[in-house]
Amino acid sequence: QKEVEQDPGPLSVPEGAIVSLNCTYSNSAFQYFMWYRQYSRKGPELLMYTYSSGNKEDGRFTAQVDKSSKYISLFIRDSQPSDSATYLCAIPDPNGTDKLIFGTGTRLQVFP
Amino acid sequence: EAGVAQSPRYKIIEKRQSVAFWCNPISGHATLYWYQQILGQGPKLLIQFQNNGVVDDSQLPKDRFSAERLKGVDSTLKIQPAKLEDSAVYLCASSLTLKETQYFGPGTRLLVL
Repeated sequence: QKEVEQDPGPLSVPEGAIVSLNCTYSNSAFQYFMWYRQYSRKGPELLMYTYSSGNKEDGRFTAQVDKSSKYISLFIRDSQPSDSATYLCAIPDPNGTDKLIFGTGTRLQVFP
Repeated sequence: EAGVAQSPRYKIIEKRQSVAFWCNPISGHATLYWYQQILGQGPKLLIQFQNNGVVDDSQLPKDRFSAERLKGVDSTLKIQPAKLEDSAVYLCASSLTLKETQYFGPGTRLLVL
C-alpha cells in the first residue's frame, strides 16, 4: 500500500463548478498536510497547508482533514479556467527528515 | 525575490551517456532538495542537503546518481550512466531551513533514448 494515494483523474469541469480533490494516507503518525498546485511545465507551488482535523479556508479554496478516516480533501469553489493544473497532496515524513511524500497528483481541467 | 533557478530546462541523451543538472536556490536558503518526477507520478525525493551536508539520500540510486553542494549554495545532480527509466523531470527545491516551506524550481526535463 502506498503511503499517499490520489486519484490521477483527469477531472474536467465547467467554469463555476465546485471541485473536490481527495487523498488518502496510511500512516496515522502524519501530522500535517499540504496541497501543491503544478501548472504544466512548472514546478509545484504550495497552495495550502493544515495541521489539524477540520476545515481551513483561503479564498475559493478549502482544505479538509479527517484524521480518523485518514482522508484529506481540497475544495475549489467557483472554479476558473486558471485553476486548470495538477493538484498534488503532500505530507511531510514524520520520521526525522522533512521530506515530502507526494500523491500522484490529480489533473484538473476547467473549461469556459 | 528571485526563485529557484535550474538549468538546462530540457535535455535529450542516449542511454549510457552522462548528464548533469544545476540548481541555484533562493538566496539564504540553507536546505536544498532534488526530486524526481516521472510522468504521471508525484515528485520523489532523491537527496536533501542542509548547507553542504547530506540529510537524506536514502532514495538516491547511488550506483549511477551523485549530487553535491560544495559551498552550501548551488548544487549539481549527475547521472552516469543514464538508463531509459531515468526519463523524468528533475525538480530542485529550497527552503529557509529544515521543516520550512519548500519552493520549487521549474525543473529539468530529461529524455533518455
